[in-house]
Amino acid sequence: EDQVTQSPEALRLQEGESSSLNCSYTVSGLRGLFWYRQDPGKGPEFLFTLYSAGEEKEKERLKATLTKKESFLHITAPKPEDSATYLCAVQARYGGATNKLIFGTGTLLAVQP
Amino acid sequence: NAGVTQTPKFRILKIGQSMTLQCTQDMNHNYMYWYRQDPGMGLKLIYYSVGAGITDKGEVPNGYNVSRSTTEDFPLRLELAAPSQTSVYFCASRGQGRAYEAFFGQGTRLTVV
Repeated sequence: EDQVTQSPEALRLQEGESSSLNCSYTVSGLRGLFWYRQDPGKGPEFLFTLYSAGEEKEKERLKATLTKKESFLHITAPKPEDSATYLCAVQARYGGATNKLIFGTGTLLAVQP
Repeated sequence: NAGVTQTPKFRILKIGQSMTLQCTQDMNHNYMYWYRQDPGMGLKLIYYSVGAGITDKGEVPNGYNVSRSTTEDFPLRLELAAPSQTSVYFCASRGQGRAYEAFFGQGTRLTVV
């Protein structure tokens, strides 16, 4: 069964304290892995798409990486405005889930000044 | 740039009432999705559509119905509302192809009392 697991569930950092969020996945051939940011009371906002193992993408203080089993979202020198829930989703290449986006439960990040 | 528009933003229903959550997108996307999000549970897929006239069930379809008569619109119908349907509902759309990211609406917060 296609599955996405994110860890930790919650993470509290001091401003400037770098860390990583994990997204482990089991899927029938990966077509794409997506990272989203969600602020309270709002819909998820797209951050990155990763297609194959070894791929990396960066945007400001965020860097996403992908292996055959997991993805990491690295946050370098975070600021309070990076506080949000970060969601990971996958799209399968084969089977019944090829048209679906399967989401993890997210990591709630709080960055304290 | 309207993107994905959901209405209403908030709604309180009594047990047994029915309602339709509206979703429209102006990006000419083939794929559209309805998710529900409960606290700490991530996004659960209710129904999805790969084009006008084509819909399919997701993980949690019971108690809901959808239709897709046009590319732009994908309404979600709740029949005989139950307290278990209290949730935040998100509509999303994406283009067809390799692995295009999904764009989300701002959500509808529904309370069934």
